[in-house]
Amino acid sequence: NAGVTQTPKFRILKIGQSMTLQCAQDMNHNYMYWYRQDPGMGLKLIYYSVGAGITDKGEVPNGYNVSRSTTEDFPLRLELAAPSQTSVYFCASSPPGGRGYTFGSGTRLTVV
Amino acid sequence: GQQLNQSPQSMFIQEGEDVSMNCTSSSIFNTWLWYKQEPGEGPVLLIALYKAGELTSNGRLTAQFGITRKDSFLNISASIPSDVGIYFCAGRAGNQFYFGTGTSLTVIP
Repeated sequence: NAGVTQTPKFRILKIGQSMTLQCAQDMNHNYMYWYRQDPGMGLKLIYYSVGAGITDKGEVPNGYNVSRSTTEDFPLRLELAAPSQTSVYFCASSPPGGRGYTFGSGTRLTVV
Repeated sequence: GQQLNQSPQSMFIQEGEDVSMNCTSSSIFNTWLWYKQEPGEGPVLLIALYKAGELTSNGRLTAQFGITRKDSFLNISASIPSDVGIYFCAGRAGNQFYFGTGTSLTVIP
């Protein structure tokens, strides 16, 4: 079982560049989430989706965009990368209610 | 956002000792989750709790959903070196989960 797959694992961006972090799950989960984790800190929710075509902002959405065209995929877009976006990004998915909440292995992003 | 206070922030214990950590919130949650994260990896779910007062075990791990629904506890019995990692609590309100800042556990052989 692949579970939640994130790509790339590592990326270095220059200030002002854009990129898309990919997330795919094969568990047919309705809910998908994007978090960022800064050093020594807990996870902060960026965006989440309760199903294809539906997305909502989390705690820290500024500087990011998402789309959910299919149940399986939930890409996160950074349009104008800033040093403050240096972090580890985790994607997660779950059925409604949270049972089986599963994380990907993360994307480590550095903006220089 | 919701504030989850997790304590202690870090623990250094001898192998074989028991470990206790807790998570408190000013808000009521419907679900509590406990995760372990190892370096370079994503968090892995350890225990999920869905009812106030619920006590659930997973091997040497036991977690409880507080009666007030504002707190949760995780205990690890007879710690071993592979218990090393950062343990996070998470509480669910609506469609969102809110995470604590983690308890870093070091087990000294």
